[in-house]
Amino acid sequence: QVQLQESGPGLVKPSQTLSLTCTVSGGSISSGDYYWSWIRQPPGKGLEWIGYIYYSGSTYYNPSLKSRVTISVDTSKNQFSLKLSSVTAADTAVYYCARSKFVPAAILDAFDIWGQGTMVTVSS
Amino acid sequence: QSALTQPASVSGSPGQSITISCTGTSSDVGGYNYVSWYQQHPGKAPKLMIYEVSNRPSGVSNRFSGSKSGNTASLTISGLQAEDEADYYCSSYTSSSTLEVFGGGTKLTVL
Repeated sequence: QVQLQESGPGLVKPSQTLSLTCTVSGGSISSGDYYWSWIRQPPGKGLEWIGYIYYSGSTYYNPSLKSRVTISVDTSKNQFSLKLSSVTAADTAVYYCARSKFVPAAILDAFDIWGQGTMVTVSS
Repeated sequence: QSALTQPASVSGSPGQSITISCTGTSSDVGGYNYVSWYQQHPGKAPKLMIYEVSNRPSGVSNRFSGSKSGNTASLTISGLQAEDEADYYCSSYTSSSTLEVFGGGTKLTVL
């Protein structure tokens, strides 16, 4: 049973960098069968896909956040991470990591497994 | 404003059936069979209910079904139960640079 667990600071100051890690258990990131994504949800609002990484290190980011986002993978630790720079109050959200089946040509299939989510507040 | 359009709310009585629509464009819902539906209870992570338009993951009740016609996908829940009360989100792969788009969510109330 694959599980995902987000971790990181719950409070980040404006203009600083938000850093989160997703630990995968019960399966290997290196299997090559999945894309590993970050998705966020501002309080009371809908879902926004941030970007994904493949085990090889290949990434794709939502253009609306691309200039501020970096997603990386550490296969030795079975983890992938999110960095979001120059944060503002608009980045306050629950951040989820999620898995989707690998489909060639960078097509995203459904997110079949999600972490429980971690709330990040941007405030001084 | 979300890329996919869903009704803000729907309601139904126990035992009834309801349908939630999700309208996009030919660049997303209408052009690909990568439409998914998620159920989200308050304070919980979304749960995949339907993938690739009409497929149910293992463990999801067969009371949940999905379909698509043109640029509009639909989620139907039959035999409504109290535990179905939740927010429902659709999503789709898109050929635009955004790659993945979500609907704004629909709040289902079981009366």
